[in-house]
Amino acid sequence: NAGVTQTPKFQVLKTGQSMTLQCAQDMNHEYMSWYRQDPGMGLRLIHYSVGAGITDQGEVPNGYNVSRSTTEDFPLRLLSAAPSQTSVYFCASSSNRGHYGYTFGSGTRLTVV
Amino acid sequence: AQTVTQSQPEMSVQEAETVTLSCTYDTSENNYYLFWYKQPPSRQMILVIRQEAYKQQNATENRFSVNFQKAAKSFSLKISDSQLGDTAMYFCAFIDYNNNDMRFGAGTRLTVKP
Repeated sequence: NAGVTQTPKFQVLKTGQSMTLQCAQDMNHEYMSWYRQDPGMGLRLIHYSVGAGITDQGEVPNGYNVSRSTTEDFPLRLLSAAPSQTSVYFCASSSNRGHYGYTFGSGTRLTVV
Repeated sequence: AQTVTQSQPEMSVQEAETVTLSCTYDTSENNYYLFWYKQPPSRQMILVIRQEAYKQQNATENRFSVNFQKAAKSFSLKISDSQLGDTAMYFCAFIDYNNNDMRFGAGTRLTVKP
């Protein structure tokens, strides 16, 4: 049982480059989310999805795109990387609208130079 | 907007002693869920304990227990018999019944000293 799989674990980008962070879950969870973690700010929601074909913005969506073509996958795209996007990114999934908590991936540490 | 506040950025405790981490939250909802997550140096987010707002009884998981005060909107985590493996960042989190947006506090970095 793999749970939530995130790739890559580490990435360095140059300003202006684009990239996609991959997230896959094998628990048949309806809900998937992307968070970013910054020192002193906890985790902040970027985008989330309540099911295939449905996505919505969270607290800090600017500069990021998502899509949900299948239940299993929820990739996060950085359109034009900026130093302010240097962060640790977590993908999470849940059933029952998160009432029993989220299952998190292992995170991606992204540095934009 | 719902907010979660952890007022202790860092704490330390001696091994085998008890420590309490504080969390307050702000919401106008009556039905919601509260969580404590542990993030060790490995970066993995691990669910420690969960509390349902409509249950008055405080949740307990082995050495971890909570003091849930709904009227005061307070949700503290008590760790008994602290172990070196408890050294981690701890996050308090909130989600209300009708929302998909789990809100997190800024975290408390706990160090257990031998």
